[in-house]
Amino acid sequence: AQSVTQLGSHVSVSEGALVLLRCNYSSSVPPYLFWYVQYPNQGLQLLLKYTSAATLVKGINGFEAEFKKSETSFHLTKPSAHMSDAAEYFCAVSRVLSDKVIFGPGTSLSVIP
Amino acid sequence: KAGVTQTPRYLIKTRGQQVTLSCSPISGHRSVSWYQQTPGQGLQFLFEYFSETQRNKGNFPGRFSGRQFSNSRSEMNVSTLELGDSALYLCASSLEIGTNYGYTFGSGTRLTVV
Repeated sequence: AQSVTQLGSHVSVSEGALVLLRCNYSSSVPPYLFWYVQYPNQGLQLLLKYTSAATLVKGINGFEAEFKKSETSFHLTKPSAHMSDAAEYFCAVSRVLSDKVIFGPGTSLSVIP
Repeated sequence: KAGVTQTPRYLIKTRGQQVTLSCSPISGHRSVSWYQQTPGQGLQFLFEYFSETQRNKGNFPGRFSGRQFSNSRSEMNVSTLELGDSALYLCASSLEIGTNYGYTFGSGTRLTVV
């Protein structure tokens, strides 16, 4: 069965500092991987996705993630945090086309002025 | 372009009642998925519909059911509500079935069971 773990349920960074949110997946076959962001009282918004093309994926709002098969990881980064980045971030995985998407538990990001 | 619309936004029901939630996907999107979000369990997959057929199903009891109409709009129903059903129910639409497209989520329906 596939699964997703996100290390750190809560991460705090200073404004302007590097953002690093960790995601590790478990999948018996090459996966499709996603990062979503959720702002309070809203649904989830797709940040970026990996679908077996380039291993370094660029998304919206300056975020990017790198697929590392050897480490079964798909960590999300942003060089410089902004106050507006404060939100809940979810990593998600699916195995093949038409498979259901499994979400990780989420990481709450706080940005300190 | 209108987004995914979920109605109602908030709902309060009594234990034992039933409830129906509605989701209108983005125009042209044919796949609709439903998730339950709670602080303790996170996002749990309920089911996915495509072309009026249920294509995937999560591990929820039979009290949870859904359907999709010919215009791709979807409804989910929960019968015999329990206190533990209190959650944010999220609907997500996608262009086609197949997760490499990614989802567009609605703002959700907040269900409170008292």
